[in-house]
Formats: sequence, structure tokens, C-alpha cells
Amino acid sequence: DQQVKQNSPSLSVQEGRISILNCDYTNSMFDYFLWYKKYPAEGPTFLISISSIKDKNEDGRFTVFLNKSAKHLSLHIVPSQPGDSAVYFCAARDASGTYKYIFGTGTRLKVLA
Amino acid sequence: GAGVSQSPSNKVTEKGKDVELRCDPISGHTALYWYRQSLGQGLEFLIYFQGNSAPDKSGLPSDRFSAERTGGSVSTLTIQRTQQEDSAVYLCASSLTGGWGETQYFGPGTRLLVL
Repeated sequence: DQQVKQNSPSLSVQEGRISILNCDYTNSMFDYFLWYKKYPAEGPTFLISISSIKDKNEDGRFTVFLNKSAKHLSLHIVPSQPGDSAVYFCAARDASGTYKYIFGTGTRLKVLA
Repeated sequence: GAGVSQSPSNKVTEKGKDVELRCDPISGHTALYWYRQSLGQGLEFLIYFQGNSAPDKSGLPSDRFSAERTGGSVSTLTIQRTQQEDSAVYLCASSLTGGWGETQYFGPGTRLLVL
């Protein structure tokens, strides 16, 4: 049972345009969400996070939006750059205090020059 | 080189053999995690170590999988009698204390192929 779902395995966007990566979750006990970025042959690296008490968090070109009622999370990258081409993982953490992150299957973003 | 390191980077083995995967966490990090990513799947939590506490082994898929962490630093994940379904990328991560909201820093992973 996939508690964190990224339904788009891949996405292509033109350089300079907005990239929107989506993530849905099923567990209402999740209270902290993260996005990780992964280049080939490297481990995932932390990108941005959001607590469930917020609905938006922004860091430079990256903004994460949280819609708790819809159990939906999205990452916006604007403007997109070729170096953003990578696999993006959404992850969530259970409010019961566990340290475990539940990861989605990832979305491969390709930014076209 | 202060990041998480893992070895080997690639491992090919025959079904039924045992394998050991190694993780060197960031110096000073007391929390260490093992995940695996099978083809087309997300990262799957396997095991968590925090300081001297008993590890959380709840994610280990079978009793063929075990892990230890010696001296609170280096960790070894052992898979006995490997099966083809064990083929995956095994990722290790560490964080400072394992506390809420901490960033987990990942190593590059070990790509395991069981023939």
C-alpha cells in the first residue's frame, strides 16, 4: 500500500518555464513533508520541506505547497533550469514521532534547453 | 569529503551468496538509516540506528537481512542467501540526532544485482 504517491513518472519542461511536481498521500498522521532531488549515481539530496502547520514554503526558485484537505503536496520550480533535470522524491513523516520517512516513487524531471 | 560514503558502489553476486554493504556516516552523526530502492519503487525504509539504542529493524523484509553498527559509526548491512528480488540500490543516510525535522544526508548507494 503506497502511502505516498507520485503519479507522474516523468515530466518535461522548457527552460525558463515553471515545473510542477505533484505528490499525494493517504496518511492523515503525516505532519512533515520533504522533497529530495537525485542525480544519477548519487544519493538523494534534501531540497525543501514543509510542516503541516503551513501551506507554503519558499526557498529561492523552489516553492512547496501543501493542501492538507486534499492530502496533496506540490513542488514548483520557477524558472526551470537544465541543471534541475533530476529525479524528485516526495517524502513524508508520521506525526507519531517516528523518524521514518515514507518516500514516493519519484518523478524524473527533464528541463529542455 | 565529509559526506556519507558507501562501498562497494556496485556489487554483482550469484543467487544464494551472502553480501555485505558498508556505510560510513558523516562524522558526528548519531543517527543512521538504511533504505533500498527497487526498480520502479520509492525508497523503502529498512533499519534505523540511533546512538546506543536498540535499532529499529521494522523495515527489514526478511530474516536474511541484518545490520550492525560498530562503535556508533560504520554500519554494515548483510544479506544472506541473496535472491533475485534483493536486486536494488541500497542507500544509507545519516542525520545529527535523528530528531524531528532533521535532514537526512544520503550516500551514493550500492547497486546490487543478484543473478
